This record gives sequence, C-alpha cells and structure tokens, in this order.
Amino acid sequence: EAGVVQSPRYKIIEKKQPVAFWCNPISGHNTLYWYLQNLGQGPELLIRYENEEAVDDSQLPKDRFSAERLKGVDSTLKIQPAELGDSAVYLCASSSSYNEQFFGPGTRLTVL
Amino acid sequence: RKEVEQDPGPFNVPEGATVAFNCTYSNSASQSFFWYRQDCRKEPKLLMSVYSSGNEDGRFTAQLNRASQYISLLIRDSKLSDSATYLCVVNAGAGSYQLTFGKGTKLSVIP
Repeated sequence: EAGVVQSPRYKIIEKKQPVAFWCNPISGHNTLYWYLQNLGQGPELLIRYENEEAVDDSQLPKDRFSAERLKGVDSTLKIQPAELGDSAVYLCASSSSYNEQFFGPGTRLTVL
Repeated sequence: RKEVEQDPGPFNVPEGATVAFNCTYSNSASQSFFWYRQDCRKEPKLLMSVYSSGNEDGRFTAQLNRASQYISLLIRDSKLSDSATYLCVVNAGAGSYQLTFGKGTKLSVIP
C-alpha cells in the first residue's frame, strides 16, 4: 500500500517569494493534516481536513498561509510571501480513524 | 505549562541497557495516548498506543497513569536500531482527531 506522498522534498527560496507544497494521502483516508515541525520540536498542527472541509485551522497563520483540498483527496499548502521564520519541515499526514496518523516524508523549506 | 512535556535528553545508553522515558500532559480530557518514533530527518511513525491497563510489545512497555497525567515508555535490551527520538502524543479528548505532540526525547544507543 502506498504511503502519504509529498512533494517537493526540499525547497529553497528567497524571502518574500511564494511557495507551495503538495500532499497525496493514503487512499481512503478522509482526514488530512498539515503540520509544521521546527528543529528540536514536535510537529504542530496547522490545519485538519475532513474530506474537503477544513475543520480545524485555528493554528494556520491566515495572513500568509492558505490551504486547499478541493476534491477531498490531495491537498496543497501555500505560503505567500515566505518569511525567514517559515524555514521548517512541513509534514502532511492522513488517517482513517483517531487512532493512528500516517505521515509523509515532509518538505524541508529553507527561506534565505 | 506546556500541553505535553518530555525530557529532551539525549539519553546515551549502552547496547543491552534498559531505558525509560516519561511524559506528562496537561489536558485531563485526553483519552488516547501514543508513542511515536522519529528517526533523524525522517517522518514520525507510530510505535505503540498506550492503554490504561498498560501494554507491552516485545521489548517495549508503555504505561499510563491518568490520575497523575503521566505516560511512560520502557525499552528493554536496547539495540543500536532503537536510536531515534521518541515523541509522546495525546489527543484532545474522546474521539478527537486532534493530536498534541511533545518535543521528543532523543535516545542514542551506543555499542
């Protein structure tokens, strides 16, 4: 069974530039999450989707971050404009229950 | 007080040693508890769920103390391959999909 797929794996951009990350969850998983992980920290939730509906986006900095999951399958997370402090690993996860979340390999973003 | 607190370590232990990690959580409504493992520059993966009665999976034993809001993970007969960061994870309440992760405890098993 294919796992959670994310792309790109690495991205280096200059500050003030836009960037987008893509995630394809495990087939059949209705719940999709975007997390941010800084070095030495645990993952922090940015947004959670149930199918195409964002049910928890309270931690998403909406002035510069946006996300969508138009058909309830794959999802895109965008930052515009990027700031130096956005450098981190962006993890996508999916689940079919509240018991286990399956993570993708992440996108490592460096903002110069 | 942080929602999930862990000693970041690092714990440096010799092969074959027994090591224990502890974690405390602040949300008394939490109902589901987990230990995730994260290898260096990799994604977190579920190691085991933690049940009220305690549970064991091979060399790994997890315990939950709801009264003290405390979770533990015991690793016996440590292997080099156990070297990783162990994340304590709790949910927001009954049936909640929202998970809160601790910062993790780094374990290095040395030959």
